[in-house]
Amino acid sequence: QLQLQESGPGLVKPAETLSLTCTVSGGSITSTTYYWGWIRQPPGKGLEWIGSIYYSGSTYYNPSLKSRVTISEDTSKTQFSLKLSSVTAADTAVYYCARDLGGGYFVYWGQGTLVTVSS
Amino acid sequence: DIQMTQSPSTLSASVGDRVTITCRASQSISSWLAWYQQKPGKAPKLLIYKASSLESGVPSRFSGSGSGTEFTLTISSLQPDDFATYYCQQYNNYPWTFGQGTKVEIK
Repeated sequence: QLQLQESGPGLVKPAETLSLTCTVSGGSITSTTYYWGWIRQPPGKGLEWIGSIYYSGSTYYNPSLKSRVTISEDTSKTQFSLKLSSVTAADTAVYYCARDLGGGYFVYWGQGTLVTVSS
Repeated sequence: DIQMTQSPSTLSASVGDRVTITCRASQSISSWLAWYQQKPGKAPKLLIYKASSLESGVPSRFSGSGSGTEFTLTISSLQPDDFATYYCQQYNNYPWTFGQGTKVEIK
């Protein structure tokens, strides 16, 4: 059974960089079919797709965040990561990592991790 | 970006009711639409993909229909476990976008 687990600081100061890692167990992140994505949800609000990475390293970002986002993978560690720079209070959210089977919809999700941006 | 609009935002229903949620896209997305269920404090769970394909393990009381710009999620007989928030998501064009959600409450 594939499992995803987000990890990283729960509190980030304004203007700093948010860094999260998703650890994948029970499966490989090097499959030629899968994409691995990040989605966030501000408290009490809806879902926003941040971006996705393909096994080859190709990345796809939401234009609304593109200038601040980097998604990368470490296949040797079966992990992929999210970096979001110059954060503000508006970036406070639960951040989810998830697997896309290649179609664009997300079947497997991590449990989510709350990141609060505050001084 | 393709805008996804769900209606209603909140729905009050009773166990056993037939429930329908609508999702409209700002432009045609063919059948590239997914539906998710989310309960408080939990990650979304995929219910439907490609507008009408039921994800493995999802009860058959859930069904999806539609194409182009208008889609529906139907729960044929609402069960206690179904009280949750439902989201649609288009994956026709990047960036993938979600509807604002429909909360199904107990009447």
